[in-house]
Amino acid sequence: QVQLQESGPGLVKPSQTLSLTCTVSGGSISSGGYYWSWIRQHPGKGLEWIGYIYDSGSTDYNSSLKSRGTISVDTSKNQLSLQLSSVTAADTAVYYCARGLVSGGGISWGQGTLVTVSS
Amino acid sequence: EIVLTQSPGTLSLSPGERATLSCWASQTVISNHLAWYQQKPGQAPRLLIYAASSRATGIPDKFSGSGSGTDFTLTISGLEPEDFAVYYCHHYGRPWTFGQGTKVEIK
Repeated sequence: QVQLQESGPGLVKPSQTLSLTCTVSGGSISSGGYYWSWIRQHPGKGLEWIGYIYDSGSTDYNSSLKSRGTISVDTSKNQLSLQLSSVTAADTAVYYCARGLVSGGGISWGQGTLVTVSS
Repeated sequence: EIVLTQSPGTLSLSPGERATLSCWASQTVISNHLAWYQQKPGQAPRLLIYAASSRATGIPDKFSGSGSGTDFTLTISGLEPEDFAVYYCHHYGRPWTFGQGTKVEIK
């Protein structure tokens, strides 16, 4: 069973770029047929899809991010990455990586990592 | 983009009662790409139901999903203390979207 583990700085300054990594074990990130995604949850709020990468490099993003997000994969390290530029306090959230079959079936989640944007 | 609306926002019930949670989609959900998750404080969401009505591995049969098109329901029969949590529906199409959640709390 695939396991996902997020990592990255817990504190980022406003206007900087947030960078997170998700290490995948129990499966290959190169496997076709999956969405590899980032989802976030603001404190006490619901779930917000950030974007995903699929089909060897195609990406879709939530339009609310206004092109600040970039999702990529490092197949040599079996990792998924997220970069979110020009962060503000509104980007403070728990960030989850997740994997879902393109054909459907629900998604598997990492445990999440809290990122606080503050000076 | 398909917008998912969950109802009610909060459901106050006693242990042993049945919970009925609704999720309405703004457009028809194709191929029943609709899932339900349970989330407890400090934890990641856990997949309960996929394809609208299929239970995920290890999920007890007190959880059941139904519906098609634009109307979907999650039913929890015989609430136990560990079932009091927040539940989200999720459309895993392109793009993914989530409902705002229903909190099931102890009455």
